[in-house]
Amino acid sequence: SAVISQKPSRDICQRGTSLTIQCQVDSQVTMMFWYRQQPGQSLTLIATANQGSEATYESGFVIDKFPISRPNLTFSTLTVSNMSPEDSSIYLCSALLLARYEQFFGPGTRLTVL
Amino acid sequence: AQRVTQPEKLLSVFKGAPVELKCNYSYSGSPELFWYVQYSRQRLQLLLRHISRESIKGFTADLNKGETSFHLKKPFAQEEDSAMYYCALSGLSGNTPLVFGKGTRLSVIA
Repeated sequence: SAVISQKPSRDICQRGTSLTIQCQVDSQVTMMFWYRQQPGQSLTLIATANQGSEATYESGFVIDKFPISRPNLTFSTLTVSNMSPEDSSIYLCSALLLARYEQFFGPGTRLTVL
Repeated sequence: AQRVTQPEKLLSVFKGAPVELKCNYSYSGSPELFWYVQYSRQRLQLLLRHISRESIKGFTADLNKGETSFHLKKPFAQEEDSAMYYCALSGLSGNTPLVFGKGTRLSVIA
């Protein structure tokens, strides 16, 4: 299996600032993803983090707002830029272990924007 | 378009009663269907997947392609089953991210 850790676990930020969330996986995985879970809502895919190249964003999400890095097979970051209260959400990192055909999830980062 | 529909936001049952959490999907092709569960203060974790045809913690789910459904069932609910349940799908190739339904909160009453 894969164990995923995220930092920070939670943060309270001011409007207009940026926050970078780190995701570390304890094994080499084929794919990594970032999801958002707004209060009372389901998980929405933000993007697929590609190693060594630009992330693939879903409709409604853009690189300027959510820049993503994945420098190697086990690490990725998501930045939430120029934050507004509407960005208050839980951000989840996920990794796919193709050998097990299973997608694992991190504990999430709870972001509150004032 | 890919879509997963869970019509019930909240489902309350008594301990020992049967449980059925509904899930319908739309997908242009042959999807892989999953049920994920999130217990209080824990991370999201895989409960079962249709391709394995397994029973986990007494739960089963059968893929009905005619009705495009993947309902989750358990004959006798336990208090520890109280959690948030998400139905999800991905492409059969296995290398596409999961698309989730809105989730159903199951509350088992003693």
